[in-house]
Amino acid sequence: QSALTQPASVSGSPGQSITISCTGTSSDVGGYNYVAWYQQHPVKAPKLLIFDVNNRPSGVSNRFSGSKSGNTASLTISGLQAEDEADYYCSSYTSTSTPYVFGTGTEVTVL
Amino acid sequence: VQLVESGGGLVQPGGSLKLSCVASGFTFTNYWMTWVRQDPGKGLECVANIAQDGSEKRYMDSVKGRFTISRDNAKNSLYLQMNSLRVEDTAVYYCVRGAGWWEYWGQGTLVTVSS
Repeated sequence: QSALTQPASVSGSPGQSITISCTGTSSDVGGYNYVAWYQQHPVKAPKLLIFDVNNRPSGVSNRFSGSKSGNTASLTISGLQAEDEADYYCSSYTSTSTPYVFGTGTEVTVL
Repeated sequence: VQLVESGGGLVQPGGSLKLSCVASGFTFTNYWMTWVRQDPGKGLECVANIAQDGSEKRYMDSVKGRFTISRDNAKNSLYLQMNSLRVEDTAVYYCVRGAGWWEYWGQGTLVTVSS
């Protein structure tokens, strides 16, 4: 099972909005509404930001939002802040034998 | 919610290691549990997960036949028996609650496979 494809890096200035894409296939992202997004700061465990495409756990800022179109899911961060500088990963249920598949990861830089 | 892993360490290629995770702060028997690993400096991989009663287990392709996930609900514990370890199994292994999206993670335990 190949990893989902994410851009290696995305950058933006404070206050701007950025979008991170996550491209899979009809066997994963396109076939199910089970996409999640995680934020990971260095030497920390990942933090769940979005589950089931566009749902936020309690306590997660509403500056983070998720969506999906076809085989591509997206995470939008609005009002970019310095603390948003981190790595971001998507994940999806997959109909293959692998439990779940992650994206390749995106490094977000706040300019 | 607390998840505490143990059992990581340095092992030679072909060797074995058993990871453990003790869960607290929630009803363990209500949740699927999952092992996720991260190669240092690289991405995340979902290694294996197990149903609440242990009746269903799923593994990533590269560990099938080598790794075994199990749980002891009486001890609120999750395990990962890793045999025939390879250099490419080197990673931080996280115990996480749930099957498909993971809000609660352990601190991770480092497994290094090297001669």
